[in-house]
Amino acid sequence: KAGVTQTPRYLIKTRGQQVTLSCSPISGHRSVSWYQQTPGQGLQFLFEYFSETQRNKGNFPGRFSGRQFSNSRSEMNVSTLELGDSALYLCASSPVAGGPDEQFFGPGTRLTVL
Amino acid sequence: AQTVTQSQPEMSVQEAETVTLSCTYDTSESNYYLFWYKQPPSRQMILVIRQEAYKQQNATENRFSVNFQKAAKSFSLKISDSQLGDTAMYFCAFMGGGATNKLIFGTGTLLAVQP
Repeated sequence: KAGVTQTPRYLIKTRGQQVTLSCSPISGHRSVSWYQQTPGQGLQFLFEYFSETQRNKGNFPGRFSGRQFSNSRSEMNVSTLELGDSALYLCASSPVAGGPDEQFFGPGTRLTVL
Repeated sequence: AQTVTQSQPEMSVQEAETVTLSCTYDTSESNYYLFWYKQPPSRQMILVIRQEAYKQQNATENRFSVNFQKAAKSFSLKISDSQLGDTAMYFCAFMGGGATNKLIFGTGTLLAVQP
């Protein structure tokens, strides 16, 4: 089985622009979660989707949004980019919502905002 | 709100020795799950070991084991016979018992295994 894939792997944007990141979960997985990883704040939960529904949202401004498609692929969008949005964005997939099942992480998208 | 604390930012261990990474958490829930994830340099995060709060027996996975003290809200990871490939950032994570996959991570411990 192919693992979790994230595209693009690297992205450079300037302040004020917007960006869309994509995550393709493992085949059969219906849950996708997104995390932001920075040296200062560590790993922070952004949002979680299950069967196209947002189940949970972290404490991020409304500039951060996401969605999930019927094939379970997910996208997250950040509008009006700020320097502080520079981070590694990770997504994780799981077959179910809740429980001790392993969540499989993708390689991440490294976003740099200039 | 749940919190996860890892008080050791960096640790070092000699190859073949044993090392213990500490983690404490805070929650008012009685049913939850705890995890240790490993993030090698420039590589993907992978699950090391998991513990279900309702299970009293400590989880083990080959050279990795945990010491789960529910009353003390402590969840330490022991790595036996350390190998060079164990060099990585280790994150302790908490997940509540509901229908959610939201992980709350600690700040991580950077473990360096020395030859």
